[in-house]
Amino acid sequence: DAGITQSPRYKITETGRQVTLMCHQTWSHSYMFWYRQDLGHGLRLIYYSAAADITDKGEVPDGYVVSRSKTENFPLTLESATRSQTSVYFCASSGQGGNTIYFGEGSWLTVV
Amino acid sequence: DAKTTQPTSMDCAEGRAANLPCNHSTISGNEYVYWYRQIHSQGPQYIIHGLKNNETNEMASLIITEDRKSSTLILPHATLRDTAVYYCIVRSSTSGTYKYIFGTGTRLKVLA
Repeated sequence: DAGITQSPRYKITETGRQVTLMCHQTWSHSYMFWYRQDLGHGLRLIYYSAAADITDKGEVPDGYVVSRSKTENFPLTLESATRSQTSVYFCASSGQGGNTIYFGEGSWLTVV
Repeated sequence: DAKTTQPTSMDCAEGRAANLPCNHSTISGNEYVYWYRQIHSQGPQYIIHGLKNNETNEMASLIITEDRKSSTLILPHATLRDTAVYYCIVRSSTSGTYKYIFGTGTRLKVLA
């Protein structure tokens, strides 16, 4: 039962670099989500996807790009990383109809 | 999107019931209330959800007021392992797609 996996788990990058965080789920869930969580704060929705090739902006989409060419993958790209994007990034998925969402273990990103 | 309001923090004695309130006064008729918790910096974990009726599972009970403007999560016999941040979420729908907006949550500390 692989579930939902994120990679890399830990990443340090420099300002201005492009970074891609990967998310893979094995349940064939139609919905996938990306959240960020800054130290000591709650989760904020970046982007979400209801199905392959369908993506929508969440609360804080600026500076991020997503794609969903395959149902099981939902990569998140920071095109030009900034220090303000230092955060923990959580990927999540849920089935059709927006049922219970399941979270990955998180990707810790530090931009220096 | 319906907003949720929760107390920032609460304490509860071990073995006692923990009652965590949530206000969601702008909730629409078909929007569900979900509860998740996050232990340390792990991915949030599903607890329970409901629409109108009270719900109970092996983890907790969910009491939703008749007007649906607020709800209470009840952990019947809190243990030290229940120390976590608890999030009340209203699942919102836009054009048939769903998304989950997290608030700031309640930091529950269970005391020995």
